[in-house]
Amino acid sequence: GQQVMQIPQYQHVQEGEDFTTYCNSSTTLSNIQWYKQRPGGHPVFLIQLVKSGEVKKQKRLTFQFGEAKKNSSLHITATQTTDVGTYFCAGGGNTPLVFGKGTRLSVIA
Amino acid sequence: DAGVTQSPTHLIKTRGQHVTLRCSPISGHKSVSWYQQVLGQGPQFIFQYYEKEERGRGNFPDRFSARQFPNYSSELNVNALLLGDSALYLCASNLYQGAYNSPLHFGNGTRLTVT
Repeated sequence: GQQVMQIPQYQHVQEGEDFTTYCNSSTTLSNIQWYKQRPGGHPVFLIQLVKSGEVKKQKRLTFQFGEAKKNSSLHITATQTTDVGTYFCAGGGNTPLVFGKGTRLSVIA
Repeated sequence: DAGVTQSPTHLIKTRGQHVTLRCSPISGHKSVSWYQQVLGQGPQFIFQYYEKEERGRGNFPDRFSARQFPNYSSELNVNALLLGDSALYLCASNLYQGAYNSPLHFGNGTRLTVT
């Protein structure tokens, strides 16, 4: 079945440093979604990418969808303590969303 | 508008018992999905229901069942609980549009502990 892999599993950064998490699918995706889960909370939808090579920005967050629609990345510029949490990618299509294991981001002030 | 609501928030059960978890979707959302999230892992798909019909089922044993009611709320039932069923159970609603592409809105989850 479809698998979605994320790296790294953990990332510790100093406040102000940049952060990137990568997502790879074993199959071509029709879309990819990104979610953020704060400690003790529930996943919250951030963005959906649909087109090959698509790039979307939300303030300090930049999301990319690969040309082959099998990989994606999330880049955060100048991290802040409010960015702490686990970031999940989830691949979608004709099957239910498959979530990666997530990248847990810690930000040291 | 209220978000997705789940009850109870926490639950402690003994092995072999049965549990029922409840979920109310966002008003206007007709699709409800259930996910299991084990500590340190991503959410794993269990079921999706739309218009009271099962539209998808994940790789979970028959001990897991669910249903959706006419008001689009949903229940997840788990029989013969095992220690490994301990997890955060997340309910999510979305605007089902013939595929699984619509973003999910999650509830706060039910933390189930099986002893």
